[in-house]
Amino acid sequence: DAKTTQPPSMDCAEGRAANLPCNHSTISGNEYVYWYRQIHSQGPQYIIHGLKNNETNEMASLIITEDRKSSTLILPHATLRDTAVYYCIVRVAMGNNNDMRFGAGTRLTVKP
Amino acid sequence: EPEVTQTPSHQVTQMGQEVILRCVPISNHLYFYWYRQILGQKVEFLVSFYNNEISEKSEIFDDQFSVERPDGSNFTLKIRSTKLEDSAMYFCASSEMGVGLAGAGEQFFGPGTRLTVL
Repeated sequence: DAKTTQPPSMDCAEGRAANLPCNHSTISGNEYVYWYRQIHSQGPQYIIHGLKNNETNEMASLIITEDRKSSTLILPHATLRDTAVYYCIVRVAMGNNNDMRFGAGTRLTVKP
Repeated sequence: EPEVTQTPSHQVTQMGQEVILRCVPISNHLYFYWYRQILGQKVEFLVSFYNNEISEKSEIFDDQFSVERPDGSNFTLKIRSTKLEDSAMYFCASSEMGVGLAGAGEQFFGPGTRLTVL
């Protein structure tokens, strides 16, 4: 699986958009990009995933560059409750590869 | 909204004792997982389970670990002889489909069981 690189920490003002980058320059054609987050010591929470098209759901938007070497998770209006560690995971979609391999992630702090 | 539940929330045990951590996955899900997170470290995959057998396991999941789905609702993780380094938060997760199916496989995580080995 392709490795991912994320900044260790970011700050964002409450009410503003939080843009979390992820670099996955070695991604291959059959690998998806997943985003999860972990609030304090709770279980990780799925946010969104995509292959090559931009995706949007009620939580966030995922922007994947045309060459798929990087992506950005966008929280359009960050709240204090969005303070968490955000994980970008690249995973091949085939066979029994069912596990998620978490890295260190980005610690997002939303400030009032 | 359906959720994954785990019991107990906190388990304290003596080194060398056996522990069983319990999970109730979401009812229509077919894929089940265990992860662990040592304090201050990243979330680590342990094992995935589908169709009553292990489908994938990590190097952490050695002979001291076993998983079982004893009935239609529970999914358990057993550690036969606990070590100090097994102290961690253990998360159960489930998904309707595997990641292997065309990018599906959103995993739902439980709140975790904090295992403390003394």
